[in-house]
Amino acid sequence: GAVVSQHPSWVICKSGTSVKIECRSLDFQATTMFWYRQFPKQSLMLMATSNEGSKATYEQGVEKDKFLINHASLTLSTLTVTSAHPEDSSFYICSAKTGRNTEAFFGQGTRLTVV
Amino acid sequence: RKEVEQDPGPFNVPEGATVAFNCTYSNSASQSFFWYRQDCRKEPKLLMSVYSSGNEDGRFTAQLNRASQYISLLIRDSKLSDSATYLCVVNRNTGNQFYFGTGTSLTVIP
Repeated sequence: GAVVSQHPSWVICKSGTSVKIECRSLDFQATTMFWYRQFPKQSLMLMATSNEGSKATYEQGVEKDKFLINHASLTLSTLTVTSAHPEDSSFYICSAKTGRNTEAFFGQGTRLTVV
Repeated sequence: RKEVEQDPGPFNVPEGATVAFNCTYSNSASQSFFWYRQDCRKEPKLLMSVYSSGNEDGRFTAQLNRASQYISLLIRDSKLSDSATYLCVVNRNTGNQFYFGTGTSLTVIP
C-alpha cells in the first residue's frame, strides 16, 4: 500500500512553545490530508480536513489559530501546535488519500508530551 | 450527534469463535465506508472496504445497510492475532471528511 511518513514520532516540549509535525506521502499525491488527535483509550478525533487547493476545514471545537495546518504541496502537510500546554499532550496522527471514495493511509503518529 | 457510533466493547471471545461488530452513522451523505484495525499505540491500518453488496475477505465479512445507516463486520474462526481495536470509518461525499467510530476492542482468548 501507499506510504505516509510522519515526523517526529515523539516529542517532549515545554509549555508555551510551539511544535511542528510533518506528514509526507512518499509514493503518491495526496489530494486530501487529515489530522487526528487520539487520547488514551479513545478513538481518533478528526481535527481538520485539507483538500487540494483549499484551506483546511476545521472540525467544531478545534481552534484553528492554535492548530495551524499547512498543506504546502500534494505530498506535504504540517501541523503546528502553537503555545502548547499540558492538555495538548496527545497522539497526533495524519492520513492522506488520493481521491474521493478511496481509503486513507496513515502516518505512524506523533506522541506529543508537553511539560 | 456523533458522525459514527460504535459499541466500544470490550469483546472477549475464545479462539475459534465468531464475533460481530456493528456501527451506525448519522449522515446520509456518507459515501464510502471502511473497517480499520488499530493495534495498541500504532496507526490504524485498512482491514477492508465496505461495499453495498457486501464483501468477504477470508474470515472477514463486511456489510452495509444504507437504509438503516449501519455497517457490520463479522469475524469467523477468531485467532489470537485478531486481538485489536476495530474502527469503522465513514467518508463524507461533501467535504470529503473521514470520520472514525470510537472503536471496538476485541481480545481473543486461548
